[in-house]
Amino acid sequence: DSGVTQTPKHLITATGQRVTLRCSPRSGDLSVYWYQQSLDQGLQFLIQYYNGEERAKGNILERFSAQQFPDLHSELNLSSLELGDSALYFCASSVVWRDSPLHFGNGTRLTVT
Amino acid sequence: ELKVEQNPLFLSMQEGKNYTIYCNYSTTSDRLYWYRQDPGKSLESLFVLLSNGAVKQEGRLMASLDTKARLSTLHITAAVHDLSATYFCASPDYGGSQGNLIFGKGTKLSVKP
Repeated sequence: DSGVTQTPKHLITATGQRVTLRCSPRSGDLSVYWYQQSLDQGLQFLIQYYNGEERAKGNILERFSAQQFPDLHSELNLSSLELGDSALYFCASSVVWRDSPLHFGNGTRLTVT
Repeated sequence: ELKVEQNPLFLSMQEGKNYTIYCNYSTTSDRLYWYRQDPGKSLESLFVLLSNGAVKQEGRLMASLDTKARLSTLHITAAVHDLSATYFCASPDYGGSQGNLIFGKGTKLSVKP
């Protein structure tokens, strides 16, 4: 158990809808990362937050947004969902904002129908 | 833009055999990470290689890093079925992604009796 908690585990929704994925980092970790894993694109870095502030952006679509709250949990919001958004979304956390190992949650499997 | 390439992407081995997975990355970095992922599961940190020439071993797995060649290897000795999983290498992208980890596509290892 990595100590990173993600909810929900599974999410099935229709195209055009909006969903929110939640992540609680390991105790003591200040940095939260979001990754998307799909069969064709592999594991893609989406966005990183450190102590409540956005630190870096990767291949994140404009339809997607995230935030990290004062208690350090993070939410990833996905809107106007398309079939291609179906993927496994991982949250990871680390102590500092760079150069430290990431600890991954169990992921949220999103299916868009 | 940092690119991380692994090969092979698929590897079918017999128990007891040895093999090496290669990870090349395109921009300068002094560290490299290896992760393991079982089907439908999260990513588990295997090795963190923090300098040129670093070598780490855990059981039948040994990882090494050559920063001058921008190459890391994961060597499997006397494979057993329990090693069947997908192995990812990841390098920090100090350019656009502020040091966030960029992952290779993964090597899916299948060890057969």
